[in-house]
Amino acid sequence: KAGVTQTPRYLIKTRGQQVTLSCSPISGHRSVSWYQQTPGQGLQFLFEYFSETQRNKGNFPGRFSGRQFSNSRSEMNVSTLELGDSALYLCASSLASGPEYEQFFGPGTRLTVL
Amino acid sequence: AQSVTQLGSHVSVSEGALVLLRCNYSSSVPPYLFWYVQYPNQGLQLLLKYTSAATLVKGINGFEAEFKKSETSFHLTKPSAHMSDAAEYFCAVSSMDSSYKLIFGSGTRLLVRP
Repeated sequence: KAGVTQTPRYLIKTRGQQVTLSCSPISGHRSVSWYQQTPGQGLQFLFEYFSETQRNKGNFPGRFSGRQFSNSRSEMNVSTLELGDSALYLCASSLASGPEYEQFFGPGTRLTVL
Repeated sequence: AQSVTQLGSHVSVSEGALVLLRCNYSSSVPPYLFWYVQYPNQGLQLLLKYTSAATLVKGINGFEAEFKKSETSFHLTKPSAHMSDAAEYFCAVSSMDSSYKLIFGSGTRLLVRP
């Protein structure tokens, strides 16, 4: 079974631009979560989608948004990029929503904002 | 609010020695607890999880962890370190308190000396 795939793997943008990251979950998984990983702040939860609905949201500004499609694929968007948005963005999928379901992580998208 | 503290940002052991990575959590309700491993340029992989069943949890690659409620700890151990264990390890907590969002510790980088 194919794992979680994230595209692109690497991205370089400049301040003020916007960016869209994509995540394809494991086949049959209906929950997708997004995390931001930085050296300073560590791993922080961004949001979770289940059956096209946002179930949970972390403490990030409104510039960070996401959505999930009917095939469970998910995208996250960051508008008006800031230098501090440089990070590894990880996507994780699970069969359903809830801590009893193991989250499988993708390799991440490394975003650099110049 | 929930939190996770991992003592020691770096731990160094000799190959064949005991591995002990420390994790303390705070949660006002029964928690789910997790250990993840991250190899360079990869996403996170679940090592093991505690979900209120047995307090001693066995995971992959010979790792285990013991849930001690009185000490609010969930330390990760492995009897004999292998060079391939060198990676970063994250402890995480989830509960109704955080709407079941995963709250991660800051991580511990394990170095294995030959």
